[in-house]
Amino acid sequence: GQNIDQPTEMTATEGAIVQINCTYQTSGFNGLFWYQQHAGEAPTFLSYNVLDGLEEKGRFSSFLSRSKGYSYLLLKELQMKDSASYLCAPMDSNYQLIWGAGTKLIIKP
Amino acid sequence: DGGITQSPKYLFRKEGQNVTLSCEQNLNHDAMYWYRQDPGQGLRLIYYSQIVNDFQKGDIAEGYSVSREKKESFPLTVTSAQKNPTAFYLCASSPTDRETGELFFGEGSRLTVL
Repeated sequence: GQNIDQPTEMTATEGAIVQINCTYQTSGFNGLFWYQQHAGEAPTFLSYNVLDGLEEKGRFSSFLSRSKGYSYLLLKELQMKDSASYLCAPMDSNYQLIWGAGTKLIIKP
Repeated sequence: DGGITQSPKYLFRKEGQNVTLSCEQNLNHDAMYWYRQDPGQGLRLIYYSQIVNDFQKGDIAEGYSVSREKKESFPLTVTSAQKNPTAFYLCASSPTDRETGELFFGEGSRLTVL
C-alpha cells in the first residue's frame, strides 16, 4: 500500500531552525511536493524535488533521497508566520499526489 | 488575476439534502481535482478530471458526483448518500504537464451537516 509518515506536531523557537521529516512508500515515484497550510486555509506550494539532493529556496530548503524513501523540509530563521501545517506529498506512478496528514509546526517567541 | 474560486466558503445542510459546491478557474488548466480534508488526516481525492467531459473517481467517490462541461468549471455535488459529509472541501487545478506542475488550490468550502 501507499503510506506517508511525518510527525504530527513540532514546536520551535522564533529565529531557530527546524527540520520536518517525511518517509513514504508509494507505487512508483514521480517527485515529491511540500505544501504549507495555515489553519482554515488552502495549501500553498513550497517545493518540488524529483532528483536526490537539496533544493534551496530562500529560508526554506527541501531534501530528497529516493533510495531511502525520505524527504525533509528545513526552515531557517523561523518567524511567527511560519506557524502552520506542512504537508508532504509524493507523486505516484499515475501522477497522483499521495498526501500525508501533515506536521503542525508551532513557533514560540 | 488568475486563480481558483470556490463558493460558498461556508455551507450548512440538513440531513437528506444534496448540495453543490462551485469551483471555477481562469488559469487555463486542463486538470481539476476535488479533495476532502478531515482533522488529523491527509487530503483525500474525491474526483478528478483531466479534460472536458471526462472525469475519474478518486479514493472516496461514493456519495459524491461531479460534472466537467466547461474547462473552467468543476462543480461537486454532495448527495444524501454521503453518510458523513461534514468536512473541508478543496478544489485544485494543475497544468497538463503534471511532471513539473504543482497544484493550485481554491480557498476551500467548509460544509457542516446539521
